[in-house]
Amino acid sequence: GNSVTQMEGPVTLSEEAFLTINCTYTATGYPSLFWYVQYPGEGLQLLLKATKADDKGSNKGFEATYRKETTSFHLEKGSVQVSDSAVYFCVHDKIIFGKGTRLHILP
Amino acid sequence: GAVVSQHPSWVICKSGTSVKIECRSLDFQATTMFWYRQFPKQSLMLMATSNEGSKATYEQGVEKDKFLINHASLTLSTLTVTSAHPEDSSFYICSARDLGGHQPQHFGDGTRLSIL
Repeated sequence: GNSVTQMEGPVTLSEEAFLTINCTYTATGYPSLFWYVQYPGEGLQLLLKATKADDKGSNKGFEATYRKETTSFHLEKGSVQVSDSAVYFCVHDKIIFGKGTRLHILP
Repeated sequence: GAVVSQHPSWVICKSGTSVKIECRSLDFQATTMFWYRQFPKQSLMLMATSNEGSKATYEQGVEKDKFLINHASLTLSTLTVTSAHPEDSSFYICSARDLGGHQPQHFGDGTRLSIL
């Protein structure tokens, strides 16, 4: 079947720290994978995407690489900012969402 | 880029009333739209898939008579919460995809529904 497993939050980091939010998936076939972000009080926004193996999606300093061998799509950022505080969702294109990871960045 | 407009953004009403939420794709046609519900501090839960010109497909556990979905055109889907009660209070979000397969979904900004 199709599923998405995302690391549980909340994740609390200091500003300028390195961020990794893990996401693994199961799928029949080769899905597209997405990361969405939900800032406080707002709706969902597409952060980045990858449509095939070894693709790297990137946006706003965030990156995620579609790794077929490990069925993973981990989200990374080298230096987080307070404004990155939000909930992040890993999403499979069969409209399956991970449970979301709440990120708190401390100044 | 593609935009999905959801209206209203916030509604407060008395128990027993029915509430209609609209979801419009503004610059693309969407044969399929999705309705989600989000409880506080939890993930999105897919409620139903709305198909233009046909009946919606509801997820297990979602009452189709409670949550009426109509997708009358390629740019508009509506969700009506009938005889709403306090336990229906939640954040409802719609999304649409302009092409099948690998295109991302475009989300509305959501509707916060509070039933008194």
